[in-house]
Amino acid sequence: AQSVTQPDIHITVSEGASLELRCNYSYGATPYLFWYVQSPGQGLQLLLKYFSGDTLVQGIKGFEAEFKRSQSSFNLRKPSVHWSDAAEYFCAVGTGGGNKLTFGTGTQLKVEL
Amino acid sequence: DAGITQSPRHKVTETGTPVTLRCHQTENHRYMYWYRQDPGHGLRLIHYSYGVKDTDKGEVSDGYSVSRSKTEDFLLTLESATSSQTSVYFCAIAGVEQETQYFGPGTRLLVL
Repeated sequence: AQSVTQPDIHITVSEGASLELRCNYSYGATPYLFWYVQSPGQGLQLLLKYFSGDTLVQGIKGFEAEFKRSQSSFNLRKPSVHWSDAAEYFCAVGTGGGNKLTFGTGTQLKVEL
Repeated sequence: DAGITQSPRHKVTETGTPVTLRCHQTENHRYMYWYRQDPGHGLRLIHYSYGVKDTDKGEVSDGYSVSRSKTEDFLLTLESATSSQTSVYFCAIAGVEQETQYFGPGTRLLVL
């Protein structure tokens, strides 16, 4: 069975600083990987996804993530954080074919002005 | 945004009462999912559907049942609600790329 670990429960960064959120997964085959963002009281919005091909994927809102098979990681990055990026971020792994997603426990991002 | 609505958006109920949550989509997508979100657990899959009348269990299915009689509607029923089922419930649908799921706005359920 697949699993996802997000080791950082909370992260605080200053506005304008760079950001990296960590995600490690466990899955026996090539994974489908996702990052979602959730603002307070809202649903989940898809930031980006990796299925195959180029290991550096670009998403919305200036986010990118890099798939590293050797490290079983899919870390999310942003070069310059904006105050509006404060939210909770979830990494997820899927088995493809319309199948089930397994989520990490989330990382809460706080942005200091 | 994908056309997904959930009803009700908020509900307070008492232990032992039945509760039904509705997910409605306008995208005509084949796959639909129910998740629950709890602090420290992220989202966990309850049940999912891969077509009309075709459903299967997820990770935390005990105490829940589902039905899908039409493509657009996926119902989640708590037959006899318990306090441990207090949670935020999210519906999701699979997009054109079936692996990509899009989420509804959620239903906040409090069981007293």
